[in-house]
Amino acid sequence: NAGVTQTPKFQVLKTGQSMTLQCAQDMNHNSMYWYRQDPGMGLRLIYYSASEGTTDKGEVPNGYNVSRLNKREFSLRLESAAPSQTSVYFCASSESMGGGYNEQFFGPGTRLTVL
Amino acid sequence: RKEVEQDPGPFNVPEGATVAFNCTYSNSASQSFFWYRQDCRKEPKLLMSVYSSGNEDGRFTAQLNRASQYISLLIRDSKLSDSATYLCVVNRYPTTSGTYKYIFGTGTRLKVLA
Repeated sequence: NAGVTQTPKFQVLKTGQSMTLQCAQDMNHNSMYWYRQDPGMGLRLIYYSASEGTTDKGEVPNGYNVSRLNKREFSLRLESAAPSQTSVYFCASSESMGGGYNEQFFGPGTRLTVL
Repeated sequence: RKEVEQDPGPFNVPEGATVAFNCTYSNSASQSFFWYRQDCRKEPKLLMSVYSSGNEDGRFTAQLNRASQYISLLIRDSKLSDSATYLCVVNRYPTTSGTYKYIFGTGTRLKVLA
């Protein structure tokens, strides 16, 4: 099992460019998440998908969109990148959103720099 | 005030030492609790869940105090390989969307020195 995979691992964008971060999991999990991690801020939830066919905003959704393509895949799109979106992006998945001890599994991250 | 708070450290300890971290949470609707470990420039990985009765996994012991709303992690006989950032995570309900939510602390950095 690959677990949670993310592409690309690194990306440099110019202000105003767009890109899509891809995420896939092979654990048959229902819930998937996108986080960003900045120094001193910890992990902040951008968007989540509680189950296939649903998506919802997290703590910091502005400037992002998501698509839950199927049960396995959850993509994050930056329509017009800004320097404030320079960060490390993690995708995660879990069996469900909660109600028990559901472990979140994380992908290796995408390091994005916006110039 | 953050919903989940941790001392950022760093905690610098010699090999073989015992070190303890605390994490406080403010929402009484918090239902499940975890410690994750994050190595430099890597993804977080589950270290252990924290159960009401407390639990142990080798050199690691986790405790939960619901009355005072904190969880703790004790590491005995520290190894160089324990150097990492330890994230406290709380799962709580409800949210405005009616779903559970994972709340992450900002992490406590541990350096074990030779």
